[in-house]
Amino acid sequence: DAGVTQSPTHLIKTRGQQVTLRCSPKSGHDTVSWYQQALGQGPQFIFQYYEEEERQRGNFPDRFSGHQFPNYSSELNVNALLLGDSALYLCASSLQGDGYTFGSGTRLTVV
Amino acid sequence: AQTVTQSQPEMSVQEAETVTLSCTYDTSESDYYLFWYKQPPSRQMILVIRQEAYKQQNATENRFSVNFQKAAKSFSLKISDSQLGDAAMYFCAYRMLYGGATNKLIFGTGTLLAVQP
Repeated sequence: DAGVTQSPTHLIKTRGQQVTLRCSPKSGHDTVSWYQQALGQGPQFIFQYYEEEERQRGNFPDRFSGHQFPNYSSELNVNALLLGDSALYLCASSLQGDGYTFGSGTRLTVV
Repeated sequence: AQTVTQSQPEMSVQEAETVTLSCTYDTSESDYYLFWYKQPPSRQMILVIRQEAYKQQNATENRFSVNFQKAAKSFSLKISDSQLGDAAMYFCAYRMLYGGATNKLIFGTGTLLAVQP
């Protein structure tokens, strides 16, 4: 079953560095959303990509940016990492925004 | 702005017993979706059950059912015949009905469910 695949599963970065997280959507899905889940909290919406464009954005600074490729896969980039960016980053794919399937996330630790 | 509140950080239930997880939400919309998601240690968010606000009938999926009280903006999850595999973090989530630019999920803070053998 080609579910949502995220890479890497874990990574450790130093404050001030930049990081790129990747997501391959479920087969047949064309929309990718990214969520940040801090420890002990519910996921918070970062942004959503459809047709290679950012369609909706949550309350996150411009340090958070993304991209969607023609094959619908997506990247989340975070610049100038802060300690507070340490979290689980979840990718969710859907078909035109309905019926989400989540990946297992990338655990980012900023030291 | 829409908000989702889960007031029970942790719950515990004996195997084979029934447990109810609570969720309240706030919205000015009349049509929307409500969800319960399960997040086991594998971290993947798994859809448990979905309710459309315009449907008066409460959703049911096998051992999982909801009590949807639209006027009270309450959406509780009942798990019957609890199993060890039900142990996980459970999140209540809200989404506006119409797609396009408004289909983000808004999550509560979660309830950690423990199942005792």
